[in-house]
Amino acid sequence: KAGVTQTPRYLIKTRGQQVTLSCSPISGHRSVSWYQQTPGQGLQFLFEYFSETQRNKGNFPGRFSGRQFSNSRSEMNVSTLELGDSALYLCASSLFTGGSYEQYFGPGTRLTVT
Amino acid sequence: SQQGEEDPQALSIQEGENATMNCSYKTSINNLQWYRQNSGRGLVHLILIRSNEREKHSGRLRVTLDTSKKSSSLLITASRAADTASYFCATDGGYGQNFVFGPGTRLSVLP
Repeated sequence: KAGVTQTPRYLIKTRGQQVTLSCSPISGHRSVSWYQQTPGQGLQFLFEYFSETQRNKGNFPGRFSGRQFSNSRSEMNVSTLELGDSALYLCASSLFTGGSYEQYFGPGTRLTVT
Repeated sequence: SQQGEEDPQALSIQEGENATMNCSYKTSINNLQWYRQNSGRGLVHLILIRSNEREKHSGRLRVTLDTSKKSSSLLITASRAADTASYFCATDGGYGQNFVFGPGTRLSVLP
């Protein structure tokens, strides 16, 4: 099976702009989670989608939003970009098996805000 | 505050030596998972240990879980230069709860 794919891999944006990142999960995985990784804050959970519904949300401002499509592909959007939004954004798809979720991560999108 | 806290923050060893990393967490969990991340890339799932398990092995990896102490350890035996990476533990509180990652341990294996 193909792994989790994320596009684009690298992105440079200017403060105030908005950005949309895309994630295609592993075939058959219905849960998609997004994380922000920065040197200072580490890996922080943004939100999780399951069957097109947001099931969980982390502690991020409303500028961060996401959605999931019927084919389980997911997008996240960041509006009014700030310098502090520069980070590696990771998407993970999950399969519920044996009573637990195992997450499989994509390579990430490196966002630089100037 | 983060659920998982790895210790040490950084570890430097020689090839062939064993590396041990520890993870502590605060609340009850459904399972705990360890991940590896090579510089600036995505995370690779290494091993999952459920709350009712005490030890698990996968190749050169050995994970232990002590729910009474709310701690886990990851042992990498006979380390190789290719093991150089950051290692994270993540706790899963169960259905409907998000994974919480610790800050990670940066492992350097010197040839």
